[in-house]
Amino acid sequence: ILNVEQSPQSLHVQEGDSTNFTCSFPSSNFYALHWYRWETAKSPEALFVMTLNGDEKKKGRISATLNTKEGYSYLYIKGSQPEDSATYLCAFSAGQAGTALIFGKGTTLSVSS
Amino acid sequence: GAVVSQHPSRVICKSGTSVKIECRSLDFQATTMFWYRQFPKQSLMLMATSNEGSKATYEQGVEKDKFLINHASLTLSTLTVTSAHPEDSSFYICSAHPGQGISPLHFGNGTRLTVT
Repeated sequence: ILNVEQSPQSLHVQEGDSTNFTCSFPSSNFYALHWYRWETAKSPEALFVMTLNGDEKKKGRISATLNTKEGYSYLYIKGSQPEDSATYLCAFSAGQAGTALIFGKGTTLSVSS
Repeated sequence: GAVVSQHPSRVICKSGTSVKIECRSLDFQATTMFWYRQFPKQSLMLMATSNEGSKATYEQGVEKDKFLINHASLTLSTLTVTSAHPEDSSFYICSAHPGQGISPLHFGNGTRLTVT
């Protein structure tokens, strides 16, 4: 059974703090690793899709790294803002493009001002 | 761009009735649509994968006769929960893949189903 683990489950930080989350996934048969941000009452929004070992991607204050050999990805948020409050989902794909994703339970971030 | 519209957002129905959930890709053609279900404090669990014009592929443990999926066009997929029971109460969310290589999924807003 393929399993995606995310930690921590939830996190509360102060505005301006930097933070990071972990996503662990099966290292065999890897195809792609996705990160999504899911705000309450909205649909999950794609942040990154990464495929290559050592990949690093950045979008504003958010960045992610990928290690496919050991099966983990980190998501970093620099200088957290209240609008960063959301659940961050990590998802793993073992198949070709268009194959369904296997999701972790997410890390819920709360940023207080 | 890449908007997916899902309706209804919330539905309450009586046990034994059927509920249809629609998922539309508004500005792109979705070759593949995925239906997920999420129970409280759990991850999104894949229920089925549907490709336009063909029968859906269901995950193990998901009853195909209970959760009817129709993907009649490249912009519309529907999930019908037949003879719903309280244990079917959950959050259902669709996602669409545009069929162009490695690209993220585009999600609807989800449907909160409560069966009384």
